[in-house]
Amino acid sequence: QVQLVESGGGVVQPGRSLRLSCTTSGFTFSSYGMHWVRQAPDKGLEWVAVTSYDGSDKYYADSVKGRFTISRDNSKNTLYLQMNSLRAEDTAVYYCAKGITIFGVADYFDSWGQGTLVSVSS
Amino acid sequence: QSVLTQPPSVSGAPGQRVTISCTGSRSNIGAGYDVHWYQQFPGTAPKLLIYGNSNRPSGVPDRFSGSKSGTSASLAITGLQAEDEADYYCQSYDNTLSVVVFGGGTKLTVL
Repeated sequence: QVQLVESGGGVVQPGRSLRLSCTTSGFTFSSYGMHWVRQAPDKGLEWVAVTSYDGSDKYYADSVKGRFTISRDNSKNTLYLQMNSLRAEDTAVYYCAKGITIFGVADYFDSWGQGTLVSVSS
Repeated sequence: QSVLTQPPSVSGAPGQRVTISCTGSRSNIGAGYDVHWYQQFPGTAPKLLIYGNSNRPSGVPDRFSGSKSGTSASLAITGLQAEDEADYYCQSYDNTLSVVVFGGGTKLTVL
């Protein structure tokens, strides 16, 4: 069955960096767009970023553009999110989610990881 | 302020029917992009409930149904059960913002 497992979350000071990973199994990772979606405490879902199946196309929410970088390693079936210049408002549970198309545009998410908590605080 | 607008909360008694609306605009739902729905229980990841406006993934009871018209969509739950108490989110794509967009979420309370 499809499995997505995030890791790398934790407590970090404002302005610092963190890298999240999402290790996947149970499907052909290299055939799907992959996304990061976050949820601030007691708030709704916010889409963060998407990478196409081969990593050639990437799109970001305005709130993270220029600070976050999504990437993937198809040889390791793993998705990444490099988060730089972190702010308090980036505090959230970060989910990786599997899209249903190769390019990830206008996708929906048929599988989600359990999430990893990122807390930005001094 | 979410691009897609949902009521913050709805409620209903067991056995009743409830609907959750999702209102967008001409750059997302009204542009023809599909609407998808997710169910989320506290402390857990969202789960796909309806895709492509009205399709149920395998394992989702037929008590859940979706529809779309114009710039809006709706999720209907019939024969309400206590286990349906959760948060529900709609999702689509916006071609002006060029991003996936979510509704703000609706908390369903089973009375």
